Amino acid sequence: NAGVTQTPKFQVLKTGQSMTLQCAQDMNHEYMSWYRQDPGMGLRLIHYSVGAGITDQGEVPNGYNVSRSTTEDFPLRLLSAAPSQTSVYFCASTNEGVLYTFGSGTRLTVV
Amino acid sequence: GEDVEQSLFLSVREGDSSVINCTYTDSSSTYLYWYKQEPGAGLQLLTYIFSNMDMKQDQRLTVLLNKKDKHLSLRIADTQTGDSAIYFCADRYTGTASKLTFGTGTRLQVTL
Repeated sequence: NAGVTQTPKFQVLKTGQSMTLQCAQDMNHEYMSWYRQDPGMGLRLIHYSVGAGITDQGEVPNGYNVSRSTTEDFPLRLLSAAPSQTSVYFCASTNEGVLYTFGSGTRLTVV
Repeated sequence: GEDVEQSLFLSVREGDSSVINCTYTDSSSTYLYWYKQEPGAGLQLLTYIFSNMDMKQDQRLTVLLNKKDKHLSLRIADTQTGDSAIYFCADRYTGTASKLTFGTGTRLQVTL
């Protein structure tokens, strides 16, 4: 009963590098989303998906890409990392939009 | 867009009650949530309330919702040191099952 799995848990990148944060859920949830958490700002929505093949932008999408080729996976791509993207990233999923399951987070540092 | 606001810090003595407040702007919110985050950890759902309810109680937790004033509160009875954490209020706007809007979080400090 894994729930939402995020990998890696920690990552350090150099400015300009690219990487993909992985998110997988095994609950057959239609809805998935990515948030970033910064001190004093709560969680802000980056991108979300209402089903395989459908994605949309959230509040802070710049610098990030997503795709949803399967129901289970919703990877978040940083195209060219910047220090402003240093944050903790959370992936979440829900089936009916009542109970949300969050992953344990990825702590990203861009130097 | 929708906005959710919380005070940043609350300090209470062990054994007292804690009340964490939240205001939101969207009158179309359907569900409102309280999450707890301990240092270095993810988000733990504490409780949630449907927008047509005024109150929900779950053991030491009581949620009050005033829809007219768009005000949500979380009361923790008999606060313990293990309750020290950041508490986030979040709302789900009608028709956006993928999207939660979070407050900035309230850091609860429990002193002996």
